[in-house]
Amino acid sequence: KQEVTQIPAALSVPEGENLVLNCSFTDSAIYNLQWFRQDPGKGLTSLLLIQSSQREQTSGRLNASLDKSSGRSTLYIAASQPGDSATYLCAVRDVSSGSARQLTFGSGTQLTVLP
Amino acid sequence: NAGVTQTPKFQVLKTGQSMTLQCAQDMNHEYMSWYRQDPGMGLRLIHYSVGAGITDQGEVPNGYNVSRSTTEDFPLRLLSAAPSQTSVYFCASRTGLKNIQYFGAGTRLSVL
Repeated sequence: KQEVTQIPAALSVPEGENLVLNCSFTDSAIYNLQWFRQDPGKGLTSLLLIQSSQREQTSGRLNASLDKSSGRSTLYIAASQPGDSATYLCAVRDVSSGSARQLTFGSGTQLTVLP
Repeated sequence: NAGVTQTPKFQVLKTGQSMTLQCAQDMNHEYMSWYRQDPGMGLRLIHYSVGAGITDQGEVPNGYNVSRSTTEDFPLRLLSAAPSQTSVYFCASRTGLKNIQYFGAGTRLSVL
């Protein structure tokens, strides 16, 4: 059974810092990996989707990498801002989860960017 | 662009009551799912559907029923609510294995 782990559970940084969020998964047979952002009391917003054949994806100040063989993904946030404060979740869609290939989520990293 | 719409946003039930959480999407997505989110446990899949008339169980299906009579709608039914079902419920939809999953804003349910 796929397991997704995100460490640390919480992270606090001063504004302007570059930072890296980590995600690891146990089964490397995946279709893709998706990073989400969740603001308090809100739903999930998709940030980046990396297909299994890709190494990275970029959107603005965000860059996500994928190393399928080692079961790791990182989300790099450049020049962090207080508005980046949120919980960041990663989720994998793995080949072995059945015909509908549902997502398996990590528990998230709660990021606080201090002004 | 409405996307995935969930109603209600908040609900308080007494143990043993029944209710239906509504979910609708206007993107013509064939795949729809229900997740619950509990502190420290991430999101767990309850039920999912791969198209109208087709549903299946996820990781935590007990106590919940679903049906999919149209492509747009995927309601989640609690037949006899229990305090263990206190959670935040998210509906999601997507098209295809390689595509982005979209989420609704959630329903916050408390069972007393």
